[in-house]
Amino acid sequence: QLQLQESGPGQVKPSETLSLTCTVSGDSISSSYYYWGWIRQPPGRGLEWIGKLLYGGSTFYNPPLKSRVTMSVDTSTNQFSLSLSSVTAADTAVYYCARLLRTDGDSPFDYWGQGALVTVSS
Amino acid sequence: QSVLTQPPSVSAAPGQRVTISCSGSISNIGSNYVSWYQQVPGTAPKLLIYDNNKRPSGIPDRFSGSKSGTSATLGITGLQTGDEADYYCGTWDISLRTVVFGGGTKLTVL
Repeated sequence: QLQLQESGPGQVKPSETLSLTCTVSGDSISSSYYYWGWIRQPPGRGLEWIGKLLYGGSTFYNPPLKSRVTMSVDTSTNQFSLSLSSVTAADTAVYYCARLLRTDGDSPFDYWGQGALVTVSS
Repeated sequence: QSVLTQPPSVSAAPGQRVTISCSGSISNIGSNYVSWYQQVPGTAPKLLIYDNNKRPSGIPDRFSGSKSGTSATLGITGLQTGDEADYYCGTWDISLRTVVFGGGTKLTVL
């Protein structure tokens, strides 16, 4: 059974960089059939797609966030990561990592991590 | 303001049927498959419906999906108290070049 687990600091100071890691178990992150992605949800609000990546390095980011987002994959540890720079209070959210069922743009997210709350505060 | 429009809330009695609508445009729902997610408060979203009307393994056939033009609909029959959750639709937007979600619909089982 595929499982994803987010990890990282629960609090980040304004203007600093948010960094999260997603550990994948039950499947290889090197599969060419799947993209791996990040979605966030501000408290009490809806879902926002951050971006997705393929193990070979191809990445696609949500345009409004593109200038601040970097995603990468580490096949040796079966993990992928998210970095979001120059954070503000508006970046406070629960961050989810997820697997995409296929490589098409309208692919659903079929497996999700439990989520990690990141608060931006000094 | 979400790109896809959902009603903020719907409600129905146990055993009844409810539908949740998701309205978009030609650049998103009109051109791509739609997915639906169930999110019980405090937990991660769970895939309910994908490719407009397909159910992942383990999802009961009480849940169904359909699409017509630039709108999609999630149907739930035989409502149970355990169905109380927020429901989100999602798809790709070819103009915005991003995944877009609806604002979510809170289902209350009276």
